[in-house]
Amino acid sequence: DTGVSQNPRHKITKRGQNVTFRCDPISEHNRLYWYRQTLGQGPEFLTYFQNEAQLEKSRLLSDRFSAERPKGSFSTLEIQRTEQGDSAMYLCASSLVPNSPLHFGNGTRLTVT
Amino acid sequence: DQQVKQNSPSLSVQEGRISILNCDYTNSMFDYFLWYKKYPAEGPTFLISISSIKDKNEDGRFTVFLNKSAKHLSLHIVPSQPGDSAVYFCAASGQNAGNNRKLIWGLGTSLAVNP
Repeated sequence: DTGVSQNPRHKITKRGQNVTFRCDPISEHNRLYWYRQTLGQGPEFLTYFQNEAQLEKSRLLSDRFSAERPKGSFSTLEIQRTEQGDSAMYLCASSLVPNSPLHFGNGTRLTVT
Repeated sequence: DQQVKQNSPSLSVQEGRISILNCDYTNSMFDYFLWYKKYPAEGPTFLISISSIKDKNEDGRFTVFLNKSAKHLSLHIVPSQPGDSAVYFCAASGQNAGNNRKLIWGLGTSLAVNP
């Protein structure tokens, strides 16, 4: 078990471009979460999946953001028409059951220029 | 409105001494609390948790204390080691987070343990 894996680690893109990040959770974990973290802040919840079902989306997640987990395993987070305010660390986490600790990946750092 | 507050942005202690990190919360519906440690360029790593039915949980050098009446919890690290230098986040969840049980996070406290 290699833990939660996120790719890429870093992404630099120009404003207006689309970007996609991938998260591979711990294999037996059925819950997968996306968080966003900016400097000096704690992680902010974006969305979560139980298996392939996306059960909740934060109001932070504008319609430019979309997340999928098509087979209940890996997940992708796409940001369309990126803006400079999207620059942040995007963290993925997984857990086995509710109230069990989240296991985080090392994140994808997005810089929008 | 910050529901989970870590009022000390930073803390510096000597190696071998006790580190005490504090966290306050405002939402009485929170019933599960966690501490995470984060090194630069890495994701947060789970350290220890406590349910609201307990007032203390211990794991090796780490102990978390919960005072529900004061809506306050603290993380004690004894003895502190240089490798403990990191940012420590307090997080909470509760029944009103729904089935999601999503975590509400503090802003973190940067701990420096000096040799």
